[in-house]
Amino acid sequence: NAGVMQNPRHLVRRRGQEARLRCSPMKGHSHVYWYRQLPEEGLKFMVYLQKENIIDESGMPKERFSAEFPKEGPSILRIQQVVRGDSAAYFCASSPRSGGNYEQFFGPGTRLTVL
Amino acid sequence: AQRVTQPEKLLSVFKGAPVELKCNYSYSGSPELFWYVQYSRQRLQLLLRHISRESIKGFTADLNKGETSFHLKKPFAQEEDSAMYYCALSGSVHGQNFVFGPGTRLSVLP
Repeated sequence: NAGVMQNPRHLVRRRGQEARLRCSPMKGHSHVYWYRQLPEEGLKFMVYLQKENIIDESGMPKERFSAEFPKEGPSILRIQQVVRGDSAAYFCASSPRSGGNYEQFFGPGTRLTVL
Repeated sequence: AQRVTQPEKLLSVFKGAPVELKCNYSYSGSPELFWYVQYSRQRLQLLLRHISRESIKGFTADLNKGETSFHLKKPFAQEEDSAMYYCALSGSVHGQNFVFGPGTRLSVLP
């Protein structure tokens, strides 16, 4: 089991472009979480998804950000019209079930730089 | 609302000294508490969870519901313990997300 995979590891975009971040959960995991880590800050929850469903998006900015976890393929975090303030590390985690008893396994993160 | 606080951004101790990383939480229900660690150039990983009541790498943490705390302790710090430590809370209601504290960077000096 290769663990949670994220790609790309580093992504550079100019202001106004779109950023697509991919997360492949661990085999057998159907729950995916996205977090953002701004420089010198802790992890901030963004969104929690199960296959084909958004369960909790209370941490997602209202505009420009969207996430999906299709029946087939990786989960995608999409940021439209990026701005400099979007520069951060974005981490994905997966778990086999929801709830507190199940550990979240983290990916290595995608570091987004907006020029 | 769920909230996790870690009052120290940076904690420096000498090798062999005891270390305590503080974590306080607010949650109206029955929380599950965790400590995650991120070593340099590695991904975030689970260190321990309160329901396991186990010691990992010499670290222990006791959930104190009266004080709403879940402090992480180790009697004798080692240089390889230097890392970023995050306290996290998960609510017991289905669909609740994880809430992470801001993290404490532990630096163990030789």
